[in-house]
Amino acid sequence: DIVMTQSPDSLAVSLGERVTVNCKSGQSIIYNGKNSLAWYQHKPGQPPKLLIYWASTRESGVPARFSGSGSGTDFTLTITSLQPEDVAVYYCQQYYATPHTFGQGTKLEIK
Amino acid sequence: EVQLVDSGGGLVQPGGSLKLSCKVSGFSISDSAIHWVRQAPGKGLEWVGRIRSGAYNSATAFGTSVKGRFTISRDDSTNTAYLQMNSLKIEDTAVYFCSRPIPNCGSVSCPFDSWGQGTLVTVSS
Repeated sequence: DIVMTQSPDSLAVSLGERVTVNCKSGQSIIYNGKNSLAWYQHKPGQPPKLLIYWASTRESGVPARFSGSGSGTDFTLTITSLQPEDVAVYYCQQYYATPHTFGQGTKLEIK
Repeated sequence: EVQLVDSGGGLVQPGGSLKLSCKVSGFSISDSAIHWVRQAPGKGLEWVGRIRSGAYNSATAFGTSVKGRFTISRDDSTNTAYLQMNSLKIEDTAVYFCSRPIPNCGSVSCPFDSWGQGTLVTVSS
């Protein structure tokens, strides 16, 4: 299984500030030149919401303050200006190979 | 509009069985893979398994913790996928979500853009 490791496990950031969440895969997840890495936002009582795929492609309807970067085994989710509605748990996931493992999650709160 | 409605959760004793359903609308289940993801209380997301479309022989794959105990099937006539869970353990207690990968994302494997609301499975004596 490909292990996905996120850091930090939790963070508290002031409104309007920049947020960075990291994700590291246990092996390269490059498929046909593209990184098979997705980011999800998960709020209590709701299903997860896809934010980013192919490491840096923003899903339709996702605000531009969300962006993804990285390649190979190291990836980053960035929120440029934290909004109240961004409070959630964020997960990375590799879809390069089954099992399509998730990171352990990063809980984001307002400071 | 794409919709997935998962159902069938409930209370079951350890060692028992339960079958979850994922009724979809807005697309044909025969043309899409369907994945199952779960979240145990206080824990993170865990990928459970998937069934591929008919074009890929409806191939299934499962996570390490459920392999050999869970199966996934599909009924194209009713646009419904199923997760059959046998030999249930207390640690299988979770909310189970079915999900659909992005169509035509450019790969055989794609991330999930549509989800059911989740159904709670409780394994307890």
